[in-house]
Amino acid sequence: GEDVEQSLFLSVREGDSSVINCTYTDSSSTYLYWYKQEPGAGLQLLTYIFSNMDMKQDQRLTVLLNKKDKHLSLRIADTQTGDSAIYFCAESHYMKTSYDKVIFGPGTSLSVIP
Amino acid sequence: KAGVTQTPRYLIKTRGQQVTLSCSPISGHRSVSWYQQTPGQGLQFLFEYFSETQRNKGNFPGRFSGRQFSNSRSEMNVSTLELGDSALYLCASSLLYRGSIGYTFGSGTRLTVV
Repeated sequence: GEDVEQSLFLSVREGDSSVINCTYTDSSSTYLYWYKQEPGAGLQLLTYIFSNMDMKQDQRLTVLLNKKDKHLSLRIADTQTGDSAIYFCAESHYMKTSYDKVIFGPGTSLSVIP
Repeated sequence: KAGVTQTPRYLIKTRGQQVTLSCSPISGHRSVSWYQQTPGQGLQFLFEYFSETQRNKGNFPGRFSGRQFSNSRSEMNVSTLELGDSALYLCASSLLYRGSIGYTFGSGTRLTVV
């Protein structure tokens, strides 16, 4: 079945790097995503990676994908207090008889200590 | 460019009533998905619409229904409300119907059932 797991909480000091980890079970996953949710808001797409890529970098964000272990990570360099939010890992894949749906993990609440 | 608009933002209903939530996607986006977000269950997929057709459905009872209009606007309806339906309902639109390049989420409708 489809399942995405993440640790629920992470606390880091301002200026340090944050690493948020995610594991997924569906080996046919095609796309993997990281979303950010701030209090009272919807989810904001931060970045995504195709399953045939190992790494993607976008400014302070680095996504690493280990397809063999079905492990995805998001590294935030120089973490700022404004990065405090819930981060969701998500995956989607093609289905033979239907269309993709996106499966989300439970979210990791990142707290940045000034 | 306007984002995804959900109305109303907040709603309080009584058990047994029904409710209709509205979502206007980003102009040009033809796919609309709905998610229910609760502290206990996280983000649960409700359904996805593309070109006025329901393409995918999550594991929710028949009390939850939706539709999409020719202008891509979508509504979801919950009949015979239960206390457990209290949640943040998020709508997301995407350009590609498979949601492959990620969703743009609205800010959600916070439904409280009393």
